[in-house]
Amino acid sequence: QQQVKQSPQSLIVQKGGISIINCAYENTAFDYFPWYQQFPGKGPALLIAIRPDVSEKKEGRFTISFNKSAKQFSLHIMDSQPGDSATYFCAAGSKNTGNQFYFGTGTSLTVIP
Amino acid sequence: GAGVSQTPSNKVTEKGKYVELRCDPISGHTALYWYRQSLGQGPEFLIYFQGTGAADDSGLPNDRFFAVRPEGSVSTLKIQRTERGDSAVYLCASSFSALDTQYFGPGTRLTVL
Repeated sequence: QQQVKQSPQSLIVQKGGISIINCAYENTAFDYFPWYQQFPGKGPALLIAIRPDVSEKKEGRFTISFNKSAKQFSLHIMDSQPGDSATYFCAAGSKNTGNQFYFGTGTSLTVIP
Repeated sequence: GAGVSQTPSNKVTEKGKYVELRCDPISGHTALYWYRQSLGQGPEFLIYFQGTGAADDSGLPNDRFFAVRPEGSVSTLKIQRTERGDSAVYLCASSFSALDTQYFGPGTRLTVL
C-alpha cells in the first residue's frame, strides 16, 4: 500500500514557468514532510521540508504548500530553470511510524530552455 | 565536511552469490538508514539503526537480507543467495538524530545476473 501518492509522474515546463508537484497521504500520524531532488546517478538531496503547524514554507524559488485537512501538500518551483530538471520525491514521516520516511513514486521534471 | 559515502558504487554479481554493501555515514550522525530504490520508484525503507542497534528492521524483505553497524558508525548491508529481483540501487542515509534531516549517499547499484 502506497503511503504517499505523488503526481504527476512526469512534467514538462518552459523556462521561467511554474512547476507544481502534488502529494497526498493517509496516515494522520505523519508530522514531517520533506521534498527531495535527485539527479541521475546521485542520491536524493533534501530540497525543503515542512511540519504541519504551518501552511506554507518558502525557500528561494521553492515553496511547499500544506493542507492538513485535505492531507495534501505540494511543491511549487517558481521561475523554473533547465538546471531544475531532475526527479523530485515527496516523503512523509513521524517518530510514531517508525522513524522511516515513506516516499512518493517521484516526478520527472524537464524544464525546456 | 564529507557526506555519506557508499562502496562500491556498482556491484555486478551472479544469482546465488553473497554480497556486502558498505555505508560510511556523516561523522557524528547517530541514525543510519538503508533504503532500496528500484527503477522509476521512490526509495523504499529497509532498516534503521540508532547507534549500534537495529531499531527497526521491518522493511527487510526476507531473511536473506541482514545489516550490521557494530561500532555505531559504518554499516554493512549483507545479502545472501542473491536473486535477480534484488537488482536495485541501495541507498544509505544518515541523520544527526531520529527523524532529523536525512542525508543520502550516492547509492550502490546492484545488478544480479
